[in-house]
Amino acid sequence: KNQVEQSPQSLIILEGKNCTLQCNYTVSPFSNLRWYKQDTGRGPVSLTIMTFSENTKSNGRYTATLDADTKQSSLHITASQLSDSASYICVVSAWGGSYIPTFGRGTSLIVHP
Amino acid sequence: DGGITQSPKYLFRKEGQNVTLSCEQNLNHDAMYWYRQDPGQGLRLIYYSQIVNDFQKGDIAEGYSVSREKKESFPLTVTSAQKNPTAFYLCASSPGPFRTVSYNEQFFGPGTRLTVL
Repeated sequence: KNQVEQSPQSLIILEGKNCTLQCNYTVSPFSNLRWYKQDTGRGPVSLTIMTFSENTKSNGRYTATLDADTKQSSLHITASQLSDSASYICVVSAWGGSYIPTFGRGTSLIVHP
Repeated sequence: DGGITQSPKYLFRKEGQNVTLSCEQNLNHDAMYWYRQDPGQGLRLIYYSQIVNDFQKGDIAEGYSVSREKKESFPLTVTSAQKNPTAFYLCASSPGPFRTVSYNEQFFGPGTRLTVL
């Protein structure tokens, strides 16, 4: 069964600090992995998307890495800001079948001043 | 201005009533999806449609119904048979499995928060 596990479940950091969120998956055959940011009460917004051949991708202060061999991804946030407080969701898609992606439960990040 | 819209943003319903949530997209996407999100939980798939006039049940379809008469629209009806309808509902769209695209990336609407009184 396709699964996506994220850790930690929640994280509290001080403004200006860096942090790293983890995503492990068992989705096969792998097509792509996406990280979304979801502010409270809003729809998720895509941060990065990576295919098998891409092992790192940046979007401003967000950098995602992918290790397709170990089936792990991480999202690194640099110099955190109060506006980074949100839920970060890892989503993995497989080739073929119904093409329905598998969602992780998300990591809730709180950035304190 | 391309995008995906949902209405209303907040919806209140009395027990025993059916209610319909609207989802519209002008991204020319073939595929559309409905998800339910409860506090502290991930998104769960209710229904999806990969082409007009066709739709499939997701993981938690009981108590819900959909239609896909137009490419741009994918309304969700929450029926009185749904035992716990209070939740945040998200609609999404993607190019679909029949398009030649690099990523079949999903784009999400702003969500509708349904509360049953």
